[in-house]
Amino acid sequence: AQRVTQPEKLLSVFKGAPVELKCNYSYSGSPELFWYVQYSRQRLQLLLRHISRESIKGFTADLNKGETSFHLKKPFAQEEDSAMYYCALGTGGGNKLTFGTGTQLKVEL
Amino acid sequence: NAGVTQTPKFRILKIGQSMTLQCAQDMNHNYMYWYRQDPGMGLKLIYYSVGAGITDKGEVPNGYNVSRSTTEDFPLRLELAAPSQTSVYFCASTLTGDRYEQYFGPGTRLTVT
Repeated sequence: AQRVTQPEKLLSVFKGAPVELKCNYSYSGSPELFWYVQYSRQRLQLLLRHISRESIKGFTADLNKGETSFHLKKPFAQEEDSAMYYCALGTGGGNKLTFGTGTQLKVEL
Repeated sequence: NAGVTQTPKFRILKIGQSMTLQCAQDMNHNYMYWYRQDPGMGLKLIYYSVGAGITDKGEVPNGYNVSRSTTEDFPLRLELAAPSQTSVYFCASTLTGDRYEQYFGPGTRLTVT
């Protein structure tokens, strides 16, 4: 069965410091990985997807099939990055997603 | 566009009561989903629908029922509420071709006591 693991419930960094939110997955098929974000008082929304290899709001994530990881990185954290981040795995028919438990990122001044 | 709307925002139920959580979207999305999120846990898929008249079970369907008579609406029915169904419920939708970018509603916080 598929699984997404986010080992950190809370990650606290100072403004300007690098950020890395960890995500590991388990899936027998060809994985499609995503990061979703929920800012305070806002809805859960897509941040980025591995297939487009883009940088959104300074965040990037590279799919490493050998390590079954999809860590989210940003070189310099900003206060507005404080949010809940969920890693998600696309699991085929019906465009279903399997979510990790989420990591709360807190950027301190 | 209102996007995905959910009602009610909050609800307290007594054990054994029933209720329907409403979800509607105005984006003409054919895929719709219901998730629950327990404290400290990720979102778990309850049911999903790939179009009007078509529904299927997700990971945690027990204790719930759904129907999809129109493209816009996807209500979730709780029969005989139990404390284990205390959770935050999210509805989401997407287009067939937009692989995995799901648009979420604001959530319904349900407490069963």
